[in-house]
Amino acid sequence: GAVVSQHPSWVICKSGTSVKIECRSLDFQATTMFWYRQFPKQSLMLMATSNEGSKATYEQGVEKDKFLINHASLTLSTLTVTSAHPEDSSFYICSARGGGGQPQHFGDGTRLSIL
Amino acid sequence: KQEVTQIPAALSVPEGENLVLNCSFTDSAIYNLQWFRQDPGKGLTSLLLIQSSQREQTSGRLNASLDKSSGRSTLYIAASQPGDSATYLCAVIARNTGKLIFGQGTTLQVKP
Repeated sequence: GAVVSQHPSWVICKSGTSVKIECRSLDFQATTMFWYRQFPKQSLMLMATSNEGSKATYEQGVEKDKFLINHASLTLSTLTVTSAHPEDSSFYICSARGGGGQPQHFGDGTRLSIL
Repeated sequence: KQEVTQIPAALSVPEGENLVLNCSFTDSAIYNLQWFRQDPGKGLTSLLLIQSSQREQTSGRLNASLDKSSGRSTLYIAASQPGDSATYLCAVIARNTGKLIFGQGTTLQVKP
């Protein structure tokens, strides 16, 4: 079945640093990729949607300069949390979808902890 | 605005019991509805996808139904096992946005 690989799975870093998370579709071309954030015991909240070669569309309340998204190819999207602070600590999950009404497939998530 | 609600928030049952998880959504204009499983600290695994024109889907011990007119879906798990313990998320793709909107999830514990 379709596989989405997300890396790293866990990162701990100091406040003020920038962190990059990668999301790859391993066996299909992902025309659209999604980035979600999940707080403990809560559901997934969509942060942004990106189509290959286009700028990402951010949900209301999500700072585009804080969460930089790049979707440069049909198999790779990256989320960079710039100048991360403790309140950015969360579980980030990416998802990828091919064309033609295909379902979304999810990565295993990245646990981000900012000290 | 589409909202998805799942009841109950948590459920604990003995092994072997059949159980039903409920999901409701406010806007019937959906492309499809999906049920996912999430283990602690992990991503999502898709269990079943029901297109808006379908009424149910089955996979092994799982059966999901969809009643679009009433805005409801159920996930039926037969003969539950401890390995079924996880959080189950319901999500719909809204026609007006094409985005997947999630419920809060039901955390299931199956006791041996």
